[in-house]
Amino acid sequence: NAGVTQTPKFRVLKTGQSMTLLCAQDMNHEYMYWYRQDPGMGLRLIHYSVGEGTTAKGEVPDGYNVSRLKKQNFLLGLESAAPSQTSVYFCASSYWAEAFFGQGTRLTVV
Amino acid sequence: AQTVTQSQPEMSVQEAETVTLSCTYDTSESDYYLFWYKQPPSRQMILVIRQEAYKQQNATENRFSVNFQKAAKSFSLKISDSQLGDAAMYFCAYSGSNTGNQFYFGTGTSLTVIP
Repeated sequence: NAGVTQTPKFRVLKTGQSMTLLCAQDMNHEYMYWYRQDPGMGLRLIHYSVGEGTTAKGEVPDGYNVSRLKKQNFLLGLESAAPSQTSVYFCASSYWAEAFFGQGTRLTVV
Repeated sequence: AQTVTQSQPEMSVQEAETVTLSCTYDTSESDYYLFWYKQPPSRQMILVIRQEAYKQQNATENRFSVNFQKAAKSFSLKISDSQLGDAAMYFCAYSGSNTGNQFYFGTGTSLTVIP
């Protein structure tokens, strides 16, 4: 059972570089999310999607963009990385009663 | 927006003893779920237990149980017979029917189990 798969698991970027984090789920969930986890701050929602072709802003959307062209995939983009975006990023998908998480991506921006 | 508050950044417990982690939340919704997720050093988020707001009975999963006080908006997690493998970060979370199925998380409690 693959569940939710994130790639890559680790990445180091230079300030100003761009990258895309990939998330794929095989549970046919409508809802998908991108969170960032920082020490002492829990998980904060960046963007989310309630279905294919939809996206919406979460709590901390600035500096990020997302796309949900296919139901099973949810992409998170950083157009111009900044050191403040150093974090662990989690993708999740859900039905109404449980969220399932990927293994996280540790991103360092130097 | 809904808020979830965990006021205990760190807790410790002796192996085989019982520990309770606290969580409070704020919402105006009547239909929602509450969760406790465990995050071990592997970073994987694991669902520990779930409570539906309309159910008065407290949820139980083996050594894990909750004390759900709806009027007080309190949702604590009790871990009985603590084991070394229980050492992890624990997050309380909320999901409501009127908030686009978003999951709101607390800031977490780091649990240490002392042998």
